[in-house]
Amino acid sequence: EAGVAQSPRYKIIEKRQSVAFWCNPISGHATLYWYQQILGQGPKLLIQFQNNGVVDDSQLPKDRFSAERLKGVDSTLKIQPAKLEDSAVYLCASSLLGFNQPQHFGDGTRLSIL
Amino acid sequence: AQKITQTQPGMFVQEKEAVTLDCTYDTSDPSYGLFWYKQPSSGEMIFLIYQGSYDQQNATEGRYSLNFQKARKSANLVISASQLGDSAMYFCAMREGMDSSYKLIFGSGTRLLVRP
Repeated sequence: EAGVAQSPRYKIIEKRQSVAFWCNPISGHATLYWYQQILGQGPKLLIQFQNNGVVDDSQLPKDRFSAERLKGVDSTLKIQPAKLEDSAVYLCASSLLGFNQPQHFGDGTRLSIL
Repeated sequence: AQKITQTQPGMFVQEKEAVTLDCTYDTSDPSYGLFWYKQPSSGEMIFLIYQGSYDQQNATEGRYSLNFQKARKSANLVISASQLGDSAMYFCAMREGMDSSYKLIFGSGTRLLVRP
């Protein structure tokens, strides 16, 4: 089974520029998550989709971050405008429905803001 | 209060020996799940093992086992017969039943280095 696909793998931009990340979850996984992982910390949930509806976006900085999951499959996360503190790895994960179902992660996008 | 605490920022273990990575959690929800993930230097998060709060037995998965002590609110990961490829960051995470989103809350991680 193919895993969670993310692109790009690395991105370097200047502050105040915009950037977008793409994620394709494992086929059949209804739930999709975007996490931000700052160096030396554990991942922090930004937004969670179930099919194409938002379940939790309480920790998404909505003034600059946006995400969508059209047709309930792949998803994009956008930052506009980027700030220095947005430098992090952005991880996408997907899972089947169910309390005991683990989340399966992609390789992540490492974002550096200059 | 932190929901998940991993008190060991870094640990060493000799190849072929066993190692225990600590994790304590804080929740008032009677229904919860605990997960362990491995993150090699390449960056991907790899699911290792799951323990549900109502599970009667400690979870095991190959060389990984979970020492679940409910009264002490601890869920330590035990890796037996360490291999060089076990060198990585290890994260403990919790999911609470009353949180309808079922989101995972991660600890800050433990970096494990296996010595040859």
